[in-house]
Amino acid sequence: GAGVSQSPRYKVTKRGQDVALRCDPISGHVSLYWYRQALGQGPEFLTYFNYEAQQDKSGLPNDRFSAERPEGSISTLTIQRTEQRDSAMYRCASSWAPNNEQFFGPGTRLTVL
Amino acid sequence: GQNIDQPTEMTATEGAIVQINCTYQTSGFNGLFWYQQHAGEAPTFLSYNVLDGLEEKGRFSSFLSRSKGYSYLLLKELQMKDSASYLCAVRRRADSNYQLIWGAGTKLIIKP
Repeated sequence: GAGVSQSPRYKVTKRGQDVALRCDPISGHVSLYWYRQALGQGPEFLTYFNYEAQQDKSGLPNDRFSAERPEGSISTLTIQRTEQRDSAMYRCASSWAPNNEQFFGPGTRLTVL
Repeated sequence: GQNIDQPTEMTATEGAIVQINCTYQTSGFNGLFWYQQHAGEAPTFLSYNVLDGLEEKGRFSSFLSRSKGYSYLLLKELQMKDSASYLCAVRRRADSNYQLIWGAGTKLIIKP
């Protein structure tokens, strides 16, 4: 496909479970970003990669959150021991280079019961 | 610290013109973006300003004043499909890293 894809689109899990959210960026895009977006708010930065290198993870809320992009393409955001407050829309975006506009995926709606 | 302010909600009439303002305070300013987000959908890129002045793109224009920390998005000949949230995002550069700081968005309601 031509755009950014994310899977799953919806994820319902029980408190304490681990979840892995996947992002498939536009082919050839160097930079990949993870955001969290609450209803009626702008995206909240979590972390970003250039190629396989995690450049900035200052937005990750705590050490239960981690991300990787081992081959510089697909990325996974992992949340361990999920809590109800982790419920949100998680969005991935990619760009040709760090200073270009970002293209967003459809997001994963995470619900923690 | 970093801060972006934009109105929460605006209402305009189909066919009219509307201006959505954004003010910001940040260090390492490196450009300002406007995105459109329809309800339940992903944000999509509208415009980018890094130098002072007006950038025009069809019905949409965006203006930047770096000295005032101010930008606006101007939408002309409003159509019902323009009903959406409009997000202002400021890019800042710290060392070799770029980061986008996002506003909360302005919900624009278009009435017939």
